[in-house]
Amino acid sequence: KQEVTQIPAALSVPEGENLVLNCSFTDSAIYNLQWFRQDPGKGLTSLLLIQSSQREQTSGRLNASLDKSSGRSTLYIAASQPGDSATYLCAVWNFQGAQKLVFGQGTRLTINP
Amino acid sequence: DGGITQSPKYLFRKEGQNVTLSCEQNLNHDAMYWYRQDPGQGLRLIYYSQIVNDFQKGDIAEGYSVSREKKESFPLTVTSAQKNPTAFYLCASSIDGSGTLYNEQFFGPGTRLTVL
Repeated sequence: KQEVTQIPAALSVPEGENLVLNCSFTDSAIYNLQWFRQDPGKGLTSLLLIQSSQREQTSGRLNASLDKSSGRSTLYIAASQPGDSATYLCAVWNFQGAQKLVFGQGTRLTINP
Repeated sequence: DGGITQSPKYLFRKEGQNVTLSCEQNLNHDAMYWYRQDPGQGLRLIYYSQIVNDFQKGDIAEGYSVSREKKESFPLTVTSAQKNPTAFYLCASSIDGSGTLYNEQFFGPGTRLTVL
C-alpha cells in the first residue's frame, strides 16, 4: 500500500530565505507526483506536476524534483515571501492498484516578515 | 473562466437529514472526484467517476452516495447513515482517471459541512 510522508509537519522561516519541503513515498511505481498549495479554508491549488519520466519541473520561484528510485520529491521555494505562507501537499498517482492520488498530510509553512 | 465550482460554501445539517453537495466543472474533464478533509487526517477519497453514468467507491464511501448523469456535474449526497459527517469536502477533476497521461488534478473551493 502506497504511503506518502511529508516532514516536517510545520516550518517557520524568515522572509527572503530559500527553503526545501520534503515528500517521500514507499512505492516507486508511480505515474506522476503533484504538489499543491492550500490556504486556510480554501481548496487545493495545483503548483507543479512531475511525470514519472521527468526529474524536475519549474514554475517561477518554485522547483520540484523527483527521484523515483529513492522515493523522494522536494519542492524548492526561492526567495520566500509572506504570501507563500500556506500548507503544501504532495500526492502520487500509483501505477498499480486503485486509480487515485495518494496524499501526504502536508507541511504548514509560515514565512515571517 | 474555466474551473470547478462547489456550492454551498457552508452547509449545516441536522441529525438524520440527508444533504447534497454540488460540484460543477467546465473544464471538459472526464474524471471527477470527491474527497473529505479532516484535521490531522489528510485527504481521503470518497467516490470517483471516470466517465458519465459510472462511478466507483473510494476509501470511505460508507454513508455517501453520488450520481454522474452529466459530464460536468458530480453531486455528493451525505446520508443519515454517515455517523460523523462534519468535515471539509473537496471536489476535483482531471482530464481522465487513468493516470497514464499528463493528468493534473484540479480542485474546487470546498464545502464545509457542520452537523448541528
